Amino acid sequence: QSALTQPASVSGSPGQSITISCTGTSSDVGGYNFVSWYQQRPGKAPKLMIYAVSNRPSGVSNRFSGSKSGNTASLTISGLQAEDEADYYCSSYTGGSIVYVFGTGTKVTVL
Amino acid sequence: QVRLVESGGGVVQPGKSLRLSCAAPGFTFSNYGMHWVRQTPGRGLEWVAVIWSDGRNKYYTDSVKGRFTISRDNSKNTLFLQMNGLRDEDTAIYYCAGSTTTWYTSFDYWGQGTLVTVSS
Repeated sequence: QSALTQPASVSGSPGQSITISCTGTSSDVGGYNFVSWYQQRPGKAPKLMIYAVSNRPSGVSNRFSGSKSGNTASLTISGLQAEDEADYYCSSYTGGSIVYVFGTGTKVTVL
Repeated sequence: QVRLVESGGGVVQPGKSLRLSCAAPGFTFSNYGMHWVRQTPGRGLEWVAVIWSDGRNKYYTDSVKGRFTISRDNSKNTLFLQMNGLRDEDTAIYYCAGSTTTWYTSFDYWGQGTLVTVSS
């Protein structure tokens, strides 16, 4: 089971919207609605931002939204803010011998 | 406020063993499926193991099967990871994470991590 593919970096100006893609296969992203997204700031543990493709946990800003089409999931950050600068990882349930798989990670830079 | 606190990391020689613990004070630990996830600069985040809330089901990533054992003590709100036959490639920050979602398919709460270094 390979890691899910994410762009290494995405950048945007304050106030803009950016989208991070997460590409897998029909055995993971495409096969289940169990994609989640995590924000990780330097030296900190990851934080859950989206679960089950498009659900936001309590306390997470509604500027963060998730979606999925086929084997690719996406995280959109609207109204980009300086505090959004971090690494972002996707994850998916696979149902295989390696039950859960993470993405390669994307560094978001606010210009 | 869910708080998870890992301990037990350190420097260990290849082939040796280490036991990690994750304490979960002050929340209903027995309602949560619990994971171990590790992170290295070169390989990013990697799921390691999961244990169901009642401890009946356990699953592992292929590279640790037969070497690592996940367990829990719900009476003490504590999760464990027994790591035997450690290899250089097991060097990483190890996080415990709790989940209540279907099939524990998201990592809802994370500890601060504990560093394991395998080196001769």
